[in-house]
Amino acid sequence: KAGVTQTPRYLIKTRGQQVTLSCSPISGHRSVSWYQQTPGQGLQFLFEYFSETQRNKGNFPGRFSGRQFSNSRSEMNVSTLELGDSALYLCASSFYRALGDTQYFGPGTRLTVL
Amino acid sequence: AQKVTQAQTEISVVEKEDVTLDCVYETRDTTYYLFWYKQPPSGELVFLIRRNSFDEQNEISGRYSWNFQKSTSSFNFTITASQVVDSAVYFCALFFGNEKLTFGTGTRLTIIP
Repeated sequence: KAGVTQTPRYLIKTRGQQVTLSCSPISGHRSVSWYQQTPGQGLQFLFEYFSETQRNKGNFPGRFSGRQFSNSRSEMNVSTLELGDSALYLCASSFYRALGDTQYFGPGTRLTVL
Repeated sequence: AQKVTQAQTEISVVEKEDVTLDCVYETRDTTYYLFWYKQPPSGELVFLIRRNSFDEQNEISGRYSWNFQKSTSSFNFTITASQVVDSAVYFCALFFGNEKLTFGTGTRLTIIP
């Protein structure tokens, strides 16, 4: 079974631009979560989607948004990019949304903002 | 407060030595799950183990073993006979009522050949 895939793997943008990252979960998985990883803040939860609905959100500004499609694929968007948005963005999927379902992570998208 | 503490920022050991990575957690929930993930230089988080709060049985998987002790709120990870391929950053994580993973800050493990 194929794992979680994320595209693109690397991205370079300039301040003020916007960016869209894509995540395809493991086949059959319906929950997708997004995390930001930076050297200073570590791994931080962005949001989680299940059945096309955002069910949980972390403490990030409104510039960070996401959505999930009917095939469970998810996208996240960051508008008006700032230097501090440079990070590794990780997507994770789980089969359901039950407490404690194991989340399987993709390889991440490394975003650099210049 | 609910949080995960990995006090060891970096550890270096010589190949074939045993090494233990510490994880201490805080939660008021009685039902929760603990995880360990490995992050090699490629960046992907690789799932290693999941343990629920009602199962304090220790687990062994090959050279890996985990010791879960609710009395001390710890979930430690031991690698026996370490190998160079074990070099990575290891994260302990807690999953509780609000349904998100809370990660520790990670321990960078370097195995010296």
